[in-house]
Amino acid sequence: NAGVTQTPKFRVLKTGQSMTLLCAQDMNHEYMYWYRQDPGMGLRLIHYSVGEGTTAKGEVPDGYNVSRLKKQNFLLGLESAAPSQTSVYFCASSGSNSTLGELFFGEGSRLTVL
Amino acid sequence: LAKTTQPISMDSYEGQEVNITCSHNNIATNDYITWYQQFPSQGPRFIIQGYKTKVTNEVASLFIPADRKSSTLSLPRVSLSDTAVYYCLVGAPNTGGGNKLTFGTGTQLKVEL
Repeated sequence: NAGVTQTPKFRVLKTGQSMTLLCAQDMNHEYMYWYRQDPGMGLRLIHYSVGEGTTAKGEVPDGYNVSRLKKQNFLLGLESAAPSQTSVYFCASSGSNSTLGELFFGEGSRLTVL
Repeated sequence: LAKTTQPISMDSYEGQEVNITCSHNNIATNDYITWYQQFPSQGPRFIIQGYKTKVTNEVASLFIPADRKSSTLSLPRVSLSDTAVYYCLVGAPNTGGGNKLTFGTGTQLKVEL
C-alpha cells in the first residue's frame, strides 16, 4: 500500500519554464490537496479537489493550475515558473467517510526555480 | 477558519513529559482540534484529534477545557525521535468541502539526552 506518491521528488527549473507535479493516491480518497512549505513556515494550501473533475482555490493559488481528471490523481502545474515558487510541495488526500478527516501526506517535491 | 497560536519552540530531555499548548480563541461550534507531527523532509503525520475534554491514544493525549479556547498536546516520556515540528489545527473535518485546514508555523520540539 503506497499511500500518497509524488513525482518528481526534486526538480530544478529556469525562470519561465513550465512543469507538472503528479500526485497519486491508492486509498480511494475523495479529497486531494496541494500545499507549499517555505523555510521556517507552515504549510499553505494552494488548490484542492473534493472529487474527480472538480478543483478549487486555496490560500495561495496564483501562478498554479490543477487538474483532477482521475480520482486517484491530482496534478499541479506551473505554466511560467518564478523564483518565488521555489518551495517544497506536499500533496495530501483524505477520505469523505472519515469523521476524523485525517490528511495523508506524500513525501514532498522540492522545486528550485533559478 | 479559526486562527491558532502556539509557541515557536520548546526544549526537553528524554524521559520527560512535554505539554504543548495551543490557543484558538475564535473556535467555532463545529470545529475539531487536530495535531500533526512533521519530521524534516517528510510530510506531516496525524497524531490526535478531539472536540472536548480528553482524548488519549497510543502516542499522545489531548486536553481540551470546557470553553475550548485552548488545547494541550501531551507527549509522555519523550525520546530523541520525538524531535519534530508539531502543528495545531482547528477546523471542521470533511464538512462537504474536504479538509481545508490552515497550518500555522507550528512548534519546533527539540529533545536532548
